[in-house]
Amino acid sequence: DAGVTQSPTHLIKTRGQQVTLRCSPKSGHDTVSWYQQALGQGPQFIFQYYEEEERQRGNFPDRFSGHQFPNYSSELNVNALLLGDSALYLCASSTTGAFEAFFGQGTRLTVV
Amino acid sequence: RKEVEQDPGPFNVPEGATVAFNCTYSNSASQSFFWYRQDCRKEPKLLMSVYSSGNEDGRFTAQLNRASQYISLLIRDSKLSDSATYLCVVNPSGSSGSARQLTFGSGTQLTVLP
Repeated sequence: DAGVTQSPTHLIKTRGQQVTLRCSPKSGHDTVSWYQQALGQGPQFIFQYYEEEERQRGNFPDRFSGHQFPNYSSELNVNALLLGDSALYLCASSTTGAFEAFFGQGTRLTVV
Repeated sequence: RKEVEQDPGPFNVPEGATVAFNCTYSNSASQSFFWYRQDCRKEPKLLMSVYSSGNEDGRFTAQLNRASQYISLLIRDSKLSDSATYLCVVNPSGSSGSARQLTFGSGTQLTVLP
């Protein structure tokens, strides 16, 4: 049973560019959440998708947007990249009614 | 004030030692609590859930004090493989359940020395 998979694993972008990160949830999971983890910090919640809709959002600007597809996979888009967007981006999947979330290995984004 | 606060450490302990981590949270409506472990440059992995009655999993014991909004993790007989960052996590979701917004502490770094 494949766990949560994310792509790409590493990415280097230039300031002002746009980036799309992808996530496939664990089999049987219908809910996908995205987190940003800066160096030396805990993950910070960006938003959560369920039934192809954004269900909850953390304190992130509109430059951060997402999408969930009918197969429950998800994308995170970040526009107008800033140097401060450099971080590990983590995707977590879960099932409705369950409290436990499983994380993917993350995408390490570097903005130069 | 941060929603979840942890002592960042680092904690450097010899093999076989007992080490305790503490965590406080600010949202009294929080419903579920966890300890996650994160190895260097890896994803967080669930170590254990934390219940009001306290729970134990082998060498690991977690405690929750709702009145004080305090969570603890005790590791007995530390192993080299326990070296990692330990993240205190709070889920503020209500009775509808589901893993909604998880709020993480900044983590406590543990190094177990030979």
